[in-house]
Amino acid sequence: EAQVTQNPRYLITVTGKKLTVTCSQNMNHEYMSWYRQDPGLGLRQIYYSMNVEVTDKGDVPEGYKVSRKEKRNFPLILESPSPNQTSLYFCASSLKGIWNEQFFGPGTRLTVL
Amino acid sequence: KNEVEQSPQNLTAQEGEFITINCSYSVGISALHWLQQHPGGGIVSLFMLSSGKKKHGRLIATINIQEKHSSLHITASHPRDSAVYICAVINFGNEKLTFGTGTRLTIIP
Repeated sequence: EAQVTQNPRYLITVTGKKLTVTCSQNMNHEYMSWYRQDPGLGLRQIYYSMNVEVTDKGDVPEGYKVSRKEKRNFPLILESPSPNQTSLYFCASSLKGIWNEQFFGPGTRLTVL
Repeated sequence: KNEVEQSPQNLTAQEGEFITINCSYSVGISALHWLQQHPGGGIVSLFMLSSGKKKHGRLIATINIQEKHSSLHITASHPRDSAVYICAVINFGNEKLTFGTGTRLTIIP
């Protein structure tokens, strides 16, 4: 089944404790992206990747890191999480970019205490 | 003022009613996506369009690039259509996606 998977789905952590949210897709997509969704603000792009070893900042990259060492994986790293990073996070992928149908992962609900 | 505005923010209707959700934007765009977010949180892509109209089942999306407006219509609405509908525009020039805050639709049996 074609899908985007994220892990974990739910995470409660404390300020400053490094964490990684994994994202994987099995559709051989070149484009992958991370978004955060906050009430009243809608989805905002954190980072995106046009292909392996190619990443770029979105609208809200501060406090996040990403890497794209393999085509299928695009992990999101929070080196020192803070409470303002409490949010619902979505990974998405598409064939080539934002002009193609976007496939979203199920979301990761992160709470930073 | 947000670059992408959706209206209404919330909509409750009876099963069978014709539904219209609007998306207006203030920037120049190349195209627009309509997305559906289920009550469980998952997001599904419905349409991408840059002109005219697209239809899929009971869903119809229209766009007028010059008037900076798009609509999503649902015919013969059903309780399973209850979801948040989100429009996202592809900004002309920087090729970035900007999202609206969504319209929460509830269809009552």
